[in-house]
Amino acid sequence: DAGVTQSPTHLIKTRGQQVTLRCSPKSGHDTVSWYQQALGQGPQFIFQYYEEEERQRGNFPDRFSGHQFPNYSSELNVNALLLGDSALYLCASSGGPRGAYEQYFGPGTRLTVT
Amino acid sequence: GQQVMQIPQYQHVQEGEDFTTYCNSSTTLSNIQWYKQRPGGHPVFLIQLVKSGEVKKQKRLTFQFGEAKKNSSLHITATQTTDVGTYFCAGGLIGSSNTGKLIFGQGTTLQVKP
Repeated sequence: DAGVTQSPTHLIKTRGQQVTLRCSPKSGHDTVSWYQQALGQGPQFIFQYYEEEERQRGNFPDRFSGHQFPNYSSELNVNALLLGDSALYLCASSGGPRGAYEQYFGPGTRLTVT
Repeated sequence: GQQVMQIPQYQHVQEGEDFTTYCNSSTTLSNIQWYKQRPGGHPVFLIQLVKSGEVKKQKRLTFQFGEAKKNSSLHITATQTTDVGTYFCAGGLIGSSNTGKLIFGQGTTLQVKP
């Protein structure tokens, strides 16, 4: 049973560039959430996708956008990268749209903005 | 905005000693989840508490959810070196818009001296 997978594992970008991160949820899961984890901090909720729609959003600017595909996989796009966007980006999948479900996290994508 | 505070930030214990981390929310929660993140790894789900005053045990780990559903604790009895890592609490929010958004605490990093 494949868990949550993310690609790429590491990425280096320059300020002002755009980046796309990808996530495949755990088999049987239909909900994908994205988190940003800065060094030494807890994960910060970016947004959640269910049925190909953004269902909930955290306090992140519009530069952060996402998409969910019919197979439940998801992408996180960040435009006009800033140095402060350097972080570990975690994707988490769960089995339903409501908050009662545990989140299965992927290994993350380490983004470095120079 | 909603906040989840976690203390202490760091804890160093001798192997065999007990360990406790505390979590406090600025708002009433629908549920609280606990995760463990090993160095260089991703958060791994430990448990979810839903009911007011709920207590759950997993071997040497005891989890509590406060009566007001605004605080929680994780207690580890007789720590082992395998317990090393950062423990996060994550609160699920109440409300019709609750679609799984989790607010993570800053985490407590546990070091165990053999």
